Amino acid sequence: EAGVAQSPRYKIIEKRQSVAFWCNPISGHATLYWYQQILGQGPKLLIQFQNNGVVDDSQLPKDRFSAERLKGVDSTLKIQPAKLEDSAVYLCASSLELAGGLNEQFFGPGTRLTVL
Amino acid sequence: QQPVQSPQAVILREGEDAVINCSSSKALYSVHWYRQKHGEAPVFLMILLKGGEQKGHEKISASFNEKKQQSSLYLTASQLSYSGTYFCGTVYNNNDMRFGAGTRLTVKP
Repeated sequence: EAGVAQSPRYKIIEKRQSVAFWCNPISGHATLYWYQQILGQGPKLLIQFQNNGVVDDSQLPKDRFSAERLKGVDSTLKIQPAKLEDSAVYLCASSLELAGGLNEQFFGPGTRLTVL
Repeated sequence: QQPVQSPQAVILREGEDAVINCSSSKALYSVHWYRQKHGEAPVFLMILLKGGEQKGHEKISASFNEKKQQSSLYLTASQLSYSGTYFCGTVYNNNDMRFGAGTRLTVKP
């Protein structure tokens, strides 16, 4: 079974530029998560989708971050414009259903973003 | 809402045991445990539900104290491969997921 795919793996941009990350979850997984992990910290949930609907985006900085999962499968996370403090690893994860219940999350390899 | 983990770091010799704790100030629905090795993605270890159900790897054990809103992960007879950072993820209201800051575990020969 294929795992969670993410691209690109690495991205370096200047501040105020835009960047987009792509995630393809495990086939059949209804729930998709985007996390931001700053070096030395735990993953911070940015947004959670159930199929193509948003379940939780309370920690997403909506003035600069946006995400979509239009067909309920793959997803895109965008930052526009980027700030220095956005430098982090962006992790995508998926699970069969919502975090409640016996639904473990499967994480992708992440995208390491460096903002200069 | 972020859970608090303790200790922040622990160093063991192979064969020694360790306990990692996770506590919440808010009523929990479930607790997840993941391990992350340097430069890699987190990997699932265990889920514990309110009410007693759990799912995880055979060699991993954990507990969930619903009254205290706490969970503990028990690592026994540690091996070099256990080294990494352990994160607890707490779930509220069936879908709100928050991870702790992590516990860095180092196992030495």
